[in-house]
Amino acid sequence: GQNIDQPTEMTATEGAIVQINCTYQTSGFNGLFWYQQHAGEAPTFLSYNVLDGLEEKGRFSSFLSRSKGYSYLLLKELQMKDSASYLCAVRDGNFNKFYFGSGTKLNVKP
Amino acid sequence: DSGVTQTPKHLITATGQRVTLRCSPRSGDLSVYWYQQSLDQGLQFLIQYYNGEERAKGNILERFSAQQFPDLHSELNLSSLELGDSALYFCASSPTWGTNEQFFGPGTRLTVL
Repeated sequence: GQNIDQPTEMTATEGAIVQINCTYQTSGFNGLFWYQQHAGEAPTFLSYNVLDGLEEKGRFSSFLSRSKGYSYLLLKELQMKDSASYLCAVRDGNFNKFYFGSGTKLNVKP
Repeated sequence: DSGVTQTPKHLITATGQRVTLRCSPRSGDLSVYWYQQSLDQGLQFLIQYYNGEERAKGNILERFSAQQFPDLHSELNLSSLELGDSALYFCASSPTWGTNEQFFGPGTRLTVL
């Protein structure tokens, strides 16, 4: 089956760095995704990893270790607008299905 | 604005009824995905269509069905509605079936009373 775990909620300070972890167990694997979702809005794509290593995109970076079933999203120079839920998702390699974690609600405080 | 449109924005109906949610993908996108997001279950993948054909199926109930039309818009039909079907339903689109980035529409909030 599929199991994706991420912390329910985190709090960080404006200007700081925060790391949001995601662990997964899937029967097949064809990529890990991170999405940002502000309250009441649609998810927006942040990053995609399919090979081990770090992908950097501006203030956001995402890391993947396939052998450990582990990923993290790193947010640097936090801004108040980064307060949102961050969704970790895995694409099943066999059937192209997507499985989402429950999301991590990030609260950025001044 | 992602370029994906969904109608209606809000829908209130009664148990046992049937509703149709509509989605128009971004111009040029051939693939459409449907998701359900409820408070207790997070974002759940329902189904994917690519160029009119079903491509992947997730946890979609038998009471639910979808299709993608020749003009690439898609409809999600929900029948015999139950209180537990109350949720936010998102449609997303991407250029092809295996594209990494999906563009989400604003969602349809369904309330079943």
